[in-house]
Amino acid sequence: AQKVTQAQTEISVVEKEDVTLDCVYETRDTTYYLFWYKQPPSGELVFLIRRNSFDEQNEISGRYSWNFQKSTSSFNFTITASQVVDSAVYFCALSARGAGGTSYGKLTFGQGTILTVHP
Amino acid sequence: DADVTQTPRNRITKTGKRIMLECSQTKGHDRMYWYRQDPGLGLRLIYYSFDVKDINKGEISDGYSVSRQAQAKFSLSLESAIPNQTALYFCATSSDRGPYNEQFFGPGTRLTVL
Repeated sequence: AQKVTQAQTEISVVEKEDVTLDCVYETRDTTYYLFWYKQPPSGELVFLIRRNSFDEQNEISGRYSWNFQKSTSSFNFTITASQVVDSAVYFCALSARGAGGTSYGKLTFGQGTILTVHP
Repeated sequence: DADVTQTPRNRITKTGKRIMLECSQTKGHDRMYWYRQDPGLGLRLIYYSFDVKDINKGEISDGYSVSRQAQAKFSLSLESAIPNQTALYFCATSSDRGPYNEQFFGPGTRLTVL
């Protein structure tokens, strides 16, 4: 079975601080996909990034960066110089084939991390 | 116009009532999903459908049923609502082409069962 753990329930920082959100996953599949979503106070889910299991290159997009390490089954998300607008719930998610060989598509989500950035 | 829409956006109902949440999409995707979100639990899969004739139970299907009326429409029903079904419900779609299966989410329906 697939599992995603976001051990940090809530994080509070002051604007301009860097913050890292942790994500640890479990799967027996060798091919899988990892995602991060942002849920601002308005409630919608905003797609941030997708990474497949064969691509361990780190990625940077503006103030956002992601560190994927298969050796530790982690896919951590760092926000550099945080801003108040970054305040949201952040979800890490996993898509894997799973038992029975069913195709990819279903997402297993972590519990979410509530990030609050204070001015 | 939004690619994935959900109606209603908010609903308050009483225990025992039958409720239907509707989802429509204009993305042309075959795959559709229903998730519920509870604080501290993330999103959990209720039902999913990989095409009109294919419907499958997810992680927490008890107390729910679904109907795939067409490629573009996927409804979630609570036959007899109970308070612990109070949650935020999301519909999502994905393509069956390619391996990525990125899911596109609707805006959510906030359901309160009194």
